[in-house]
Amino acid sequence: NAGVTQTPKFQVLKTGQSMTLQCAQDMNHEYMSWYRQDPGMGLRLIHYSVGAGITDQGEVPNGYNVSRSTTEDFPLRLLSAAPSQTSVYFCASTPAMGQGMFEAFFGQGTRLTVV
Amino acid sequence: AQSVAQPEDQVNVAEGNPLTVKCTYSVSGNPYLFWYVQYPNRGLQFLLKYITGDNLVKGSYGFEAEFNKSQTSFHLKKPSALVSDSALYFCAVRSNDYKLSFGAGTTVTVRA
Repeated sequence: NAGVTQTPKFQVLKTGQSMTLQCAQDMNHEYMSWYRQDPGMGLRLIHYSVGAGITDQGEVPNGYNVSRSTTEDFPLRLLSAAPSQTSVYFCASTPAMGQGMFEAFFGQGTRLTVV
Repeated sequence: AQSVAQPEDQVNVAEGNPLTVKCTYSVSGNPYLFWYVQYPNRGLQFLLKYITGDNLVKGSYGFEAEFNKSQTSFHLKKPSALVSDSALYFCAVRSNDYKLSFGAGTTVTVRA
């Protein structure tokens, strides 16, 4: 059981470039989300999805897009990378309330540097 | 709006001594509370949760946490710390809408 898989693990971008961070889960969880982790700020929610075809903005959505065409996949797109987007990005999935578990499961993270 | 505060950036303890990492929260409705641990260059690992029931919850690696509704706190504890417990610890809260809010994190250093 792979859990939550993120690719790539590391990425360096030039300012203005675009890219997609991939996230896939094999646990049939309804809820998926993207966070960024910056020193001293904990994890901040970028975008989330409560099911296929449904997405919404979190706390820091500017400069990022998401889509959820299937239950399993939740890619995060950087439209035009900026140095302020240098961060570690985590994808997470959470089962629906009726499944008896409440905790989120996290991927291993993507370390992104924008130069 | 919901939020989490971890008042200590760093906690330093000697191996074998008790470890406490503090967390207070604010949320509308019933709180679901979590502790996660992050080792260097790794993802977040789930330690324990409070959903309902007993205020003292036990989790992985000998950790426990006490939910205090009147003080809106959920402090993480371990009776006897190990050097291998040195890591970054996050407290998180959510309600029924699934969205997690994290504290800024507390770096725990356990010295031999």
